[in-house]
Amino acid sequence: SYVLTQPPSVSVAPGKTARISCGGNNIGSKSVHWYQQKSGQAPVLVIHYDSDRPSGIPERFSGSNSGNSATLTISRVEAGDEADYYCQVWDGSTDLPFGGGTKLTVL
Amino acid sequence: QVQLQQWGAGQLKPSETLSLTCAVYGGSFSAFYWSWIRRTPGRGLEWIGEINHSGSVNYNPSLKSRVTISVDTSKNQFSLELTSVTAADTAVYYCATRIVVSNTGWFDPWGQGTRVTVSS
Repeated sequence: SYVLTQPPSVSVAPGKTARISCGGNNIGSKSVHWYQQKSGQAPVLVIHYDSDRPSGIPERFSGSNSGNSATLTISRVEAGDEADYYCQVWDGSTDLPFGGGTKLTVL
Repeated sequence: QVQLQQWGAGQLKPSETLSLTCAVYGGSFSAFYWSWIRRTPGRGLEWIGEINHSGSVNYNPSLKSRVTISVDTSKNQFSLELTSVTAADTAVYYCATRIVVSNTGWFDPWGQGTRVTVSS
């Protein structure tokens, strides 16, 4: 199984930049997708194909992927960004497509 | 624009069978893979399995012996059955659309979720 490793938690002050990492062996050779899950709601896709934003996702959300780590960056963090964030890859052979998730706390 | 609506029993006893159904509205039923995913308190998001319009399935090896995913193309619906449930199967279950592009895929959109509790 291909394992994705995320920090359990990240804290950031409002207006600052949050960076959430997703580690995996040579993850830069794969496409990484990111989801936001707010309390009591279904997950929402916020980044696909490493850095593409779906329609309706604010420009404050961006992604990058290189080497052994992918990163979701949230600029000018707002209170409404507080949520769990998951990275995901799919190479057709994985049974563990999701990372363990990172809880973003806005201080 | 695809929308998913799911339903099923939310309270089960140990050893019973979990049964959920997801209806697909809008979009092309034959264009995607249709997945089941659950969120457990201790393990985050766990992919359960998927099916396409022709009935081709893929399952998470850790659940494969207890999982059946089926499709009803006449109703644009797909279903999940998980047998012999235990407390470890307590979770919020989601249906989701897997977009397939080249050698990758992502899940969008998701159903609203069904909270399933297994308790005697």
